[in-house]
Amino acid sequence: NAGVTQTPKFQVLKTGQSMTLQCAQDMNHEYMSWYRQDPGMGLRLIHYSVGAGITDQGEVPNGYNVSRSTTEDFPLRLLSAAPSQTSVYFCASSRTGDSPNSPLHFGNGTRLTVT
Amino acid sequence: DAKTTQPNSMESNEEEPVHLPCNHSTISGTDYIHWYRQLPSQGPEYVIHGLTSNVNNRMASLAIAEDRKSSTLILHRATLRDAAVYYCIRGGGFKTIFGAGTRLFVKA
Repeated sequence: NAGVTQTPKFQVLKTGQSMTLQCAQDMNHEYMSWYRQDPGMGLRLIHYSVGAGITDQGEVPNGYNVSRSTTEDFPLRLLSAAPSQTSVYFCASSRTGDSPNSPLHFGNGTRLTVT
Repeated sequence: DAKTTQPNSMESNEEEPVHLPCNHSTISGTDYIHWYRQLPSQGPEYVIHGLTSNVNNRMASLAIAEDRKSSTLILHRATLRDAAVYYCIRGGGFKTIFGAGTRLFVKA
């Protein structure tokens, strides 16, 4: 199993550009989520999904869109990038999101810089 | 609101045990306690979790206070590779919230 795969690893955008951060998992996990991590800080939850076709907002959803058309994939879209979105983005998955007995598996992150 | 309190940083010598504390005084009866760690330039990785009893796995031990208002992650013999940020999380499941964690420095 590859686990949770994020692409790209690095990205530089200009203000106003759009892009999609990709996340795929091969563990047949129901739950997937996106976090951002700013320098020296903990992770903040952006959006999450409890299964295909179902998404919901986390702590900091503004400026980001998500969709979940398949169990495997959970892309994060930035429609109009802003410098405040410069961060490292992590995707995570777990077997079932509603069980506290189901640990999260993380990808290695996408480092995004918006100039 | 991370709902847990951890020291900002701790230091340990290599080959010695490390006890990382966490306070979660508002924990409910059904909340698990999870620990993750984040090595430099990597995503967080799961370490251990428990509900009431002490737990052991190949990475660490988790000691949970009888009143469940605090817990301690125990690394039995710290190595340089254990230098990381350790996150204590109350609850898990939907909307898992990470606080700032404890940065562990390991001296050779």
